[in-house]
Amino acid sequence: KNEVEQSPQNLTAQEGEFITINCSYSVGISALHWLQQHPGGGIVSLFMLSSGKKKHGRLIATINIQEKHSSLHITASHPRDSAVYICAAAESYNTDKLIFGTGTRLQVFP
Amino acid sequence: SQTIHQWPATLVQPVGSPLSLECTVEGTSNPNLYWYRQAAGRGLQLLFYSVGIGQISSEVPQNLSASRPQDRQFILSSKKLLLSDSGFYLCAWSVKGTDNSPLHFGNGTRLTVT
Repeated sequence: KNEVEQSPQNLTAQEGEFITINCSYSVGISALHWLQQHPGGGIVSLFMLSSGKKKHGRLIATINIQEKHSSLHITASHPRDSAVYICAAAESYNTDKLIFGTGTRLQVFP
Repeated sequence: SQTIHQWPATLVQPVGSPLSLECTVEGTSNPNLYWYRQAAGRGLQLLFYSVGIGQISSEVPQNLSASRPQDRQFILSSKKLLLSDSGFYLCAWSVKGTDNSPLHFGNGTRLTVT
């Protein structure tokens, strides 16, 4: 069993739909990262959170430390949101100790 | 603003040949630097990280090595590539001294060993 698990592995949606990607982890963490990997491979850091909720544009990330669970939500999805979304758990306060999930591939169709 | 450059973008190399991938960071000083690999269908795996010039930590034993000859330069090397070295290699940096600093990734190098 992986220490960081994401679901679903693949997700398709119609433009405008509300999307949720889930991340569960089995280790104690200091923070959780959400990353976006574009089709070409480049990766962008979306969020880093250790409690509560963060919002950036149409993206919302939440974390429940007690339940060891985080979600990434996309409101009013758009084809340009199509990407692989990766969560990564930071075991310590050092960024070098990240444990990555295998990602959720999202495709949004017009 | 800070930028990270990684090259080449794609590379096809025969088994047994050497490898050198280079990564440079601009707009920041004394960053933490990282090399990650993403094998097909698998998650990101940390290969090396560096907290300063000449300081390299290896996370997994393998056919690869890393060097940091300058503050903002990070090089991934191999003397003899194996088929299993194929993958997508990403360089990243983060700010030192900040708890859980976000990672900033380069665009990656797709390496195919034939």
